[in-house]
Amino acid sequence: DAKTTQPPSMDCAEGRAANLPCNHSTISGNEYVYWYRQIHSQGPQYIIHGLKNNETNEMASLIITEDRKSSTLILPHATLRDTAVYYCIVRVRDSGTYKYIFGTGTRLKVLA
Amino acid sequence: NAGVMQNPRHLVRRRGQEARLRCSPMKGHSHVYWYRQLPEEGLKFMVYLQKENIIDESGMPKERFSAEFPKEGPSILRIQQVVRGDSAAYFCASSPGQFTDTQYFGPGTRLTVL
Repeated sequence: DAKTTQPPSMDCAEGRAANLPCNHSTISGNEYVYWYRQIHSQGPQYIIHGLKNNETNEMASLIITEDRKSSTLILPHATLRDTAVYYCIVRVRDSGTYKYIFGTGTRLKVLA
Repeated sequence: NAGVMQNPRHLVRRRGQEARLRCSPMKGHSHVYWYRQLPEEGLKFMVYLQKENIIDESGMPKERFSAEFPKEGPSILRIQQVVRGDSAAYFCASSPGQFTDTQYFGPGTRLTVL
């Protein structure tokens, strides 16, 4: 069962910031939050991950609430090429191994 | 630096045949993961392997499915006696380690069972 909840779809105007929310209220203290995206039906592309602190890289920013029950992925200037399904994933430890539990993701459509 | 490679990209099989899916991890990566994605769904974990060892196969169906990652060569996901319900996209990911390392995904193999 997925440990994350995301809105099924969102629209964003080209050039504007896209803010994609994710709820992970049952996350444990040592479980990381990862974000990937899947363009068309290609393989998922890694975007960013974090544990407690906010993170930023060349693709996006990740804001994690202090209680770690939710996070937001920010694409600062969305382009048409950012249209994709975005997955918020909690990496869980299960029987001694770490694995990704995918939810159904948010389908982001960037509009011209 | 080549990414994760999977072949074939598309595979068509008739019911009852065998399907073999191959995955070559990124250079320097010794951990391989297989996922299955049904249409309009997220990816589902199937199996995690290191060289010559299956570490976690909790997501693998009990029958007809097997995976290996030999000392030399790619990782193989084998599906025997395929059925229509096996039609899906199968993705492989690799990482250099496991505990804190990010997984990088290949382009997938789309299996169609006629």
